[in-house]
Amino acid sequence: EAGVTQSPTHLIKTRGQQATLRCSPISGHTSVYWYQQALGLGLQFLLWYDEGEERNRGNFPPRFSGRQFPNYSSELNVNALELEDSALYLCASSPTHREFTNTEAFFGQGTRLTVV
Amino acid sequence: KNEVEQSPQNLTAQEGEFITINCSYSVGISALHWLQQHPGGGIVSLFMLSSGKKKHGRLIATINIQEKHSSLHITASHPRDSAVYICAVRSNYGGSQGNLIFGKGTKLSVKP
Repeated sequence: EAGVTQSPTHLIKTRGQQATLRCSPISGHTSVYWYQQALGLGLQFLLWYDEGEERNRGNFPPRFSGRQFPNYSSELNVNALELEDSALYLCASSPTHREFTNTEAFFGQGTRLTVV
Repeated sequence: KNEVEQSPQNLTAQEGEFITINCSYSVGISALHWLQQHPGGGIVSLFMLSSGKKKHGRLIATINIQEKHSSLHITASHPRDSAVYICAVRSNYGGSQGNLIFGKGTKLSVKP
């Protein structure tokens, strides 16, 4: 069974451009989480999508946005890129239902975004 | 103060040594995760705990809910265990439902 897959693995963008990162969850998983890991910093929660809706977002500006498609895959969009957006972006998925759950999360390999 | 604190930040061990990594947290949680991140960046979930103790091969994870503390032990450490180990908690209060709060990680290096 395929795990969580992310694309692209590496992405180089210029300051001011937009970046689009993609995530496919494990089959049967309906929740997708996005995290940012900037150099030297711990993982920070970005966004949580469940069954097509944004359920929660972390302390990031509105230029970080995303969506979840009917097949539960997800996109993370970062507009007006800044140099400090350079980071590893990780996606995770978990099976879930409408209520809060404490099931295990499975992570992808990440997309390394470099803003120059 | 971070909601999830790990110690030590860096750990160097000789092959075969018994290793302990500690995690303390200050929020109410429904579960605690131990994660392993290799240099390439990908993360593997090692354990998810809500009480007691779990064992998988040479890895043992324990949690004390009353003391808000968890430990990850590695017995008979091996160079391939070299990685960053991250403690993450799934909080159970309304504003943070659904997301994990991460510690800064412990970088482990096991020398042959």
